[in-house]
Amino acid sequence: QKEVEQDPGPLSVPEGAIVSLNCTYSNSAFQYFMWYRQYSRKGPELLMYTYSSGNKEDGRFTAQVDKSSKYISLFIRDSQPSDSATYLCAMSPRGGYQKVTFGIGTKLQVIP
Amino acid sequence: DADVTQTPRNRITKTGKRIMLECSQTKGHDRMYWYRQDPGLGLRLIYYSFDVKDINKGEISDGYSVSRQAQAKFSLSLESAIPNQTALYFCATSDLRTSGSANEQFFGPGTRLTVL
Repeated sequence: QKEVEQDPGPLSVPEGAIVSLNCTYSNSAFQYFMWYRQYSRKGPELLMYTYSSGNKEDGRFTAQVDKSSKYISLFIRDSQPSDSATYLCAMSPRGGYQKVTFGIGTKLQVIP
Repeated sequence: DADVTQTPRNRITKTGKRIMLECSQTKGHDRMYWYRQDPGLGLRLIYYSFDVKDINKGEISDGYSVSRQAQAKFSLSLESAIPNQTALYFCATSDLRTSGSANEQFFGPGTRLTVL
């Protein structure tokens, strides 16, 4: 079983829809939870990160962490065609240098 | 603009050839990483370096070697390329002073490597 599981999609939604992207994980030591966005033929870029449980909002993006269920989510409100990309979740434990474990990414397409 | 650059962006080579991928950064970060990305497998860490004298193996280092020539430069070598090393390769950087334990990483644009 992989430490981080993520549905690869693809996920197609109409413009303006609310998008929900999710990851599950098995390592209880994970404390930092990150979301990266990767456009085609580009490197991943960090969107948001949260520490431990709770929500974090940044514009149209909201990250949620439920450590009791080992489940994290990224919500995109009022989705735009420019949001079409692959979204990777990533996680790491706390303290010193800790390896970051990435999900395989979910490919999202927002249809105009 | 502070950035992470990779050369070449695309490379086609033959089995058995030696190849080097290069990474440079102007972010002033101390940590640098090499990953490969494969469909269905995601990003996997090959090597990482905390400074010029500190090189560490990642989860899939066999068949690869690295050199940290300076704080800003980190190169990845395939001594004798094989077809299953065909992948997208990314260099990344991070900085303990700004990201702390979160280890947020900043990625280059990637090198698409094909081994025939």
